[in-house]
Amino acid sequence: NAGVTQTPKFQVLKTGQSMTLQCAQDMNHNSMYWYRQDPGMGLRLIYYSASEGTTDKGEVPNGYNVSRLNKREFSLRLESAAPSQTSVYFCASSVPAINTGELFFGEGSRLTVL
Amino acid sequence: KQEVTQIPAALSVPEGENLVLNCSFTDSAIYNLQWFRQDPGKGLTSLLLIQSSQREQTSGRLNASLDKSSGRSTLYIAASQPGDSATYLCAVRPQGGATNKLIFGTGTLLAVQP
Repeated sequence: NAGVTQTPKFQVLKTGQSMTLQCAQDMNHNSMYWYRQDPGMGLRLIYYSASEGTTDKGEVPNGYNVSRLNKREFSLRLESAAPSQTSVYFCASSVPAINTGELFFGEGSRLTVL
Repeated sequence: KQEVTQIPAALSVPEGENLVLNCSFTDSAIYNLQWFRQDPGKGLTSLLLIQSSQREQTSGRLNASLDKSSGRSTLYIAASQPGDSATYLCAVRPQGGATNKLIFGTGTLLAVQP
């Protein structure tokens, strides 16, 4: 059982380049999330998708777009990367909060923008 | 606004010692509280989830307690081992508003010395 899988694990971009981070979960979870983790800032929510076909902004959505392709997959796109987007990005999934809401994370994607 | 605080930021203990990690939150209106472990360069692994109606949860050498009225949770680790060395994060899922939004603390870095 793979859980939450993210690709790529590492990426280096130049300022202005675009890229998409991919995430897939095999736990049949309705909700999926994208977080970024920065030293001293903790984990901050970028976007989330409560269910297939819906997406909502989190705390720090500027500079990002997302697509909930189907129930399994939730991608994060940087259209024009900036050095401030250098971070570790985590995808997560969960069952609805009304059940347990327990969150499961992927291994992370480490992005450096030069 | 819900805020989550973890003190201390770092802790070093000798192997075999019992220890307590602290998590405090400012708003008691929560669905649940979840404890995670993060190893260097890795994703977050769920350790324990406590629903708002529960007082504690146990898994092996780990015991997590929840006191909503005082806005506190503790993670007790019995007979610590060097393999327990990691960053431990707590997160609360607030009631009301965007219920999908977990609020994370910045973590406690634990080092267990052999």
